[in-house]
Amino acid sequence: AQSVTQLGSHVSVSEGALVLLRCNYSSSVPPYLFWYVQYPNQGLQLLLKYTSAATLVKGINGFEAEFKKSETSFHLTKPSAHMSDAAEYFCAVTSSNTGKLIFGQGTTLQVKP
Amino acid sequence: SQTIHQWPATLVQPVGSPLSLECTVEGTSNPNLYWYRQAAGRGLQLLFYSVGIGQISSEVPQNLSASRPQDRQFILSSKKLLLSDSGFYLCAWNVMAGGPREQFFGPGTRLTVL
Repeated sequence: AQSVTQLGSHVSVSEGALVLLRCNYSSSVPPYLFWYVQYPNQGLQLLLKYTSAATLVKGINGFEAEFKKSETSFHLTKPSAHMSDAAEYFCAVTSSNTGKLIFGQGTTLQVKP
Repeated sequence: SQTIHQWPATLVQPVGSPLSLECTVEGTSNPNLYWYRQAAGRGLQLLFYSVGIGQISSEVPQNLSASRPQDRQFILSSKKLLLSDSGFYLCAWNVMAGGPREQFFGPGTRLTVL
């Protein structure tokens, strides 16, 4: 079975500081991994995805994530936080061949001025 | 390009009333379709998914049902709403072509049951 754990339900950073959102996964097969962002009262928007082509994945809005198989991690980073980055972030892994995604519980990012 | 629509955007319903939420996808064929719920302060809970017309899989026992009468239409229903049905309902789709299977989400429906 596959699972995702997001460490820290709330993360607070100052504007301009590094953003690091942690995601660890469990999968018995090579995984496909995703990060989504959700702004209040909106649907989820794909930030980036790991396709096995490259371990360092660049996404939209200056975010990137690195796949580390040895650590079963896929942490999301951004060098400099903007106020507009305040949102909820979800990490997800695919589930077998049904197309279903297994989501983490989400991390709320607060950006302080 | 593909788009996904959900309506209504917001809904306030009394306990015991029926429910019908609709989701439609444009620009793709034979998608997998999904219904999720987000309760306040909680993550995404997968309620139903469908791999084709008339094919519905339920992930959790509950007061809700789903139907897929057309290839790109997915409906979430209830005969009698409960207070615990309140939440933010999201519809999503993806396709099973080779490669990463990201899901694309609709804008959501905010349901409040009073």
